[in-house]
Amino acid sequence: GAVVSQHPSRVICKSGTSVKIECRSLDFQATTMFWYRQFPKQSLMLMATSNEGSKATYEQGVEKDKFLINHASLTLSTLTVTSAHPEDSSFYICSAAMASGFPIYYNEQFFGPGTRLTVL
Amino acid sequence: EDKVVQSPLSLVVHEGDTVTLNCSYEVTNFRSLLWYKQEKKAPTFLFMLTSSGIEKKSGRLSSILDKKELFSILNITATQTGDSAVYLCAYYQGAQKLVFGQGTRLTINP
Repeated sequence: GAVVSQHPSRVICKSGTSVKIECRSLDFQATTMFWYRQFPKQSLMLMATSNEGSKATYEQGVEKDKFLINHASLTLSTLTVTSAHPEDSSFYICSAAMASGFPIYYNEQFFGPGTRLTVL
Repeated sequence: EDKVVQSPLSLVVHEGDTVTLNCSYEVTNFRSLLWYKQEKKAPTFLFMLTSSGIEKKSGRLSSILDKKELFSILNITATQTGDSAVYLCAYYQGAQKLVFGQGTRLTINP
């Protein structure tokens, strides 16, 4: 159980275009989903926290108008990279915390397989 | 400032060796420390540690937390080439935010 999927797994786009990445929890409901970015040979950095039905909370230094997050249901969150530029090329990973009734910090986060974005 | 520091950053051993990876932390309002294994894709969960001195075990992997000395170790015995990966420790900052260490890149040579 506890599977998180991401789509697409890899995307190449031209500079200036927008790219949407989907994150789904397949067999559980996730009240909270998280979006991370990972540059080569670096660790994961949290970009934003997405709660179902409310606005996402962005980490310092992450532009909310550039990285649009929508958490429309308990199983789906989307990240849209708007007007992508080469410096946005990275590995984007989502994770989901199960709606268990316990605080999130008592639970593991389940990670999706990641989306590798390359902006030309 | 809260942080986790992993050591070593890189480790190369031969198949069959035992390795110990370290994660020291300074975290106010500490709640839990987590270990993940990352191969080419996203991290896979290994352990969550909340109590000091209680070893968690899964096959050849085990981990323990020392809340007095503020560190955790991840042990892998009888290593195999499939254990080659980046091992990440992480802690919760506040109620939801998971903060990762820089990782230890482990390479197991046949």
